[in-house]
Amino acid sequence: GNSVTQMEGPVTLSEEAFLTINCTYTATGYPSLFWYVQYPGEGLQLLLKATKADDKGSNKGFEATYRKETTSFHLEKGSVQVSDSAVYFCALLSGAPYNQGGKLIFGQGTELSVKP
Amino acid sequence: DVKVTQSSRYLVKRTGEKVFLECVQDMDHENMFWYRQDPGLGLRLIYFSYDVKMKEKGDIPEGYSVSREKKERFSLILESASTNQTSMYLCASSLGFGNYEQYFGPGTRLTVT
Repeated sequence: GNSVTQMEGPVTLSEEAFLTINCTYTATGYPSLFWYVQYPGEGLQLLLKATKADDKGSNKGFEATYRKETTSFHLEKGSVQVSDSAVYFCALLSGAPYNQGGKLIFGQGTELSVKP
Repeated sequence: DVKVTQSSRYLVKRTGEKVFLECVQDMDHENMFWYRQDPGLGLRLIYFSYDVKMKEKGDIPEGYSVSREKKERFSLILESASTNQTSMYLCASSLGFGNYEQYFGPGTRLTVT
């Protein structure tokens, strides 16, 4: 079945460090891929997405490239800030023929802590 | 802005109680979802609904039921709460019709004692 695997956390970085959070997936076909972020005490927010191979999603300085050959969608940011401290979830969209909405399958989440 | 609201941020219930978690969205979205979030497990889909009065089981429906009588409201029901249902519950909605971005509520942290 479809699945998403993320690198385990927590990840602790100093401000302005480079961030990579690894995400790989298993799926049939070519699913859409997403990164969601959950700030403390809040629900999840969509951070970025990519809908086909080689697409690059970007938002707020974060980027991720849909790599079909390695089935990966790693999240990167060149210079993290304290305000980026949150839990990051990688997800893929699993369509169902009887459902217009599609189902998201999430990785286990990676907690990021950025120190001043 | 899309707004998804959940009836409670924190809830404490006793084993065996019937528990209702309510979710309301204000953007006329077709699809609504209930997840539970547990450390190390990410989010797991309990139930979803793609139309009023329609529901589909997700990956972990056992011990839960849902109700969607109106388009904007999706309720999660724990018929007889158990301690292993202590968790964070997140509701989400999406427009549908090819637009699959899901918008999440702030979550309800349920503790069953």
